Amino acid sequence: GAVVSQHPSRVICKSGTSVKIECRSLDFQATTMFWYRQFPKKSLMLMATSNEGSKATYEQGVEKDKFLINHASLTLSTLTVTSAHPEDSSFYICSARLAGVYQETQYFGPGTRLLVL
Amino acid sequence: KNQVEQSPQSLIILEGKNCTLQCNYTVSPFSNLRWYKQDTGRGPVSLTIMTFSENTKSNGRYTATLDADTKQSSLHITASQLSDSASYICVVSGSWGKLQFGAGTQVVVTP
Repeated sequence: GAVVSQHPSRVICKSGTSVKIECRSLDFQATTMFWYRQFPKKSLMLMATSNEGSKATYEQGVEKDKFLINHASLTLSTLTVTSAHPEDSSFYICSARLAGVYQETQYFGPGTRLLVL
Repeated sequence: KNQVEQSPQSLIILEGKNCTLQCNYTVSPFSNLRWYKQDTGRGPVSLTIMTFSENTKSNGRYTATLDADTKQSSLHITASQLSDSASYICVVSGSWGKLQFGAGTQVVVTP
């Protein structure tokens, strides 16, 4: 099956610093990738839709200047948490869309655990 | 209000026993419904995907059912194993590319 990787798997940073998370589709090209955030024992919440070669589409309530998304190639999207604060600590998951003949499927990455001190 | 409701919120079962998880949704128009397994600290992994015309789909010991008329789905786990301990998430696709997530059912399998 299709594989999506994320790097790093976990990161600890100081408050005020910026953190970049990478999402890669390893064996397929993805024109669209998605970024989710998940709090403990809660479901995934869509943050933004990342489109290759164009600006990301952010969900209501998500600050685009704080969560910078870049989708520079068909296999890579990055999420940068700028000026991170402790409340940004969370589990960030990306997914990549693979369009099939009959339906499209999203394949999820393993997630990145961010802890802001 | 969440358009995808799952029950129970959590359950504990003995190894070797069966269990059934429920998912009710109000997403419309409906494209497909998926069940994912998410281990702690990991991303979700797809178990089954069903369109409106499919009533049941199996993946090993996992069997999903779908009633598109009543907008209900279930995931049945047969002969549970310790490795089945995870969160099981029901995800409904409405508008193309837009997924609605349930809150998940936390399953704990005990020896």
